[in-house]
Amino acid sequence: AQSVAQPEDQVNVAEGNPLTVKCTYSVSGNPYLFWYVQYPNRGLQFLLKYITGDNLVKGSYGFEAEFNKSQTSFHLKKPSALVSDSALYFCAVRDMNSGYSTLTFGKGTMLLVSP
Amino acid sequence: ETGVTQSPTHLIKTRGQQVTLRCSSQSGHNTVSWYQQALGQGPQFIFQYYREEENGRGNFPPRFSGLQFPNYSSELNVNALELDDSALYLCASSLGTGSSSYNSPLHFGNGTRLTVT
Repeated sequence: AQSVAQPEDQVNVAEGNPLTVKCTYSVSGNPYLFWYVQYPNRGLQFLLKYITGDNLVKGSYGFEAEFNKSQTSFHLKKPSALVSDSALYFCAVRDMNSGYSTLTFGKGTMLLVSP
Repeated sequence: ETGVTQSPTHLIKTRGQQVTLRCSSQSGHNTVSWYQQALGQGPQFIFQYYREEENGRGNFPPRFSGLQFPNYSSELNVNALELDDSALYLCASSLGTGSSSYNSPLHFGNGTRLTVT
């Protein structure tokens, strides 16, 4: 079965500094990977996805993610953090074996950007 | 384009009671999935409906059941509520199922916060 690990419960960064939120995955076959963001008392908003092609994927709000097949990682990055980026971030992998389009999520990483 | 809407936003129930949560899918989306997000955890897949039939289920007991209607809206029903059912319940819609939909993201509603006392 596929799985996702987000090793950090919380990431702290100062505004203007680059940020990285880590994600590693385990799948059989080719990975379909996603990042979502969740603001307090809200649902999940789609940020970006990796399906195939270029290892650097660009998404919404200036975020990007780097796919590394040898390290089975899909880290989320942003060159310059904003206070408004503070939220809960989830990495997810598509279940390729079930025959239906569900996602398996990591436990989430809280990003706190200080002014 | 109308997004995914869920109702109610908050709900308080007593252990042993039954609850129904509702979801309207995004315009044009024919597949609805339900997820349970316990406090401090990532969303866990409950089940998925496509063309009014359940076509996938996660590790949840039969007291979790659902429906999908011809307009693709959906309900999640939970019987015999337990304290551990307290969570944020998220509905997500997408277009299609199977390999044709693997590269499409799910679109989530804002969820229903269920508290069981």
